[in-house]
Amino acid sequence: SQKIEQNSEALNIQEGKTATLTCNYTNYSPAYLQWYRQDPGRGPVFLLLIRENEKEKRKERLKVTFDTTLKQSLFHITASQPADSATYLCAREGPLGSNYQLIWGAGTKLIIKP
Amino acid sequence: KAGVTQTPRYLIKTRGQQVTLSCSPISGHRSVSWYQQTPGQGLQFLFEYFSETQRNKGNFPGRFSGRQFSNSRSEMNVSTLELGDSALYLCASSLGVAEDGYTFGSGTRLTVV
Repeated sequence: SQKIEQNSEALNIQEGKTATLTCNYTNYSPAYLQWYRQDPGRGPVFLLLIRENEKEKRKERLKVTFDTTLKQSLFHITASQPADSATYLCAREGPLGSNYQLIWGAGTKLIIKP
Repeated sequence: KAGVTQTPRYLIKTRGQQVTLSCSPISGHRSVSWYQQTPGQGLQFLFEYFSETQRNKGNFPGRFSGRQFSNSRSEMNVSTLELGDSALYLCASSLGVAEDGYTFGSGTRLTVV
């Protein structure tokens, strides 16, 4: 079955540095991957989508890559700020024949230290 | 514009009771999805509705049910509550365009005692 794996350990980064989060998927390559940010006690907030045929996508300080050989997506935040501290979730579309749902990773907690 | 509204924000129920959660999607969004989020299992898909029809259902027991009204508002119901049902229940709405992602509400925190 399809799974999304994210590093469950918190990632501590110094302010101003680039934070890089990893999302690995199993089984066949998804048509796309979505990245969300979640703050404590709140619902996830959509950040970016990258499709299987896209190598890279950028939005302001965010950059996402998709490597079908490694079965991996990397999420980068450049010039990180303490306000970027949150849990970041990666999600793929559901299994074949099961539309309209997402399969989620457990999320990686990012802590940006001043 | 108004976001996705979920009510209530917090609930405490006793085992064996039932509960109804409500979700008002963003105006114009006809797709509404429900997810359960727990520390151990992460986000798990419950079901998705579009134009009052359930299009997909996750692997949850029949105690979990939902519905959608003609104005796209949705409710989910959990009957015969168990301690393991304690979780954050999240509702998300979308236009059905993957590039736009899903817009989530702040969730309902359900505690079963």
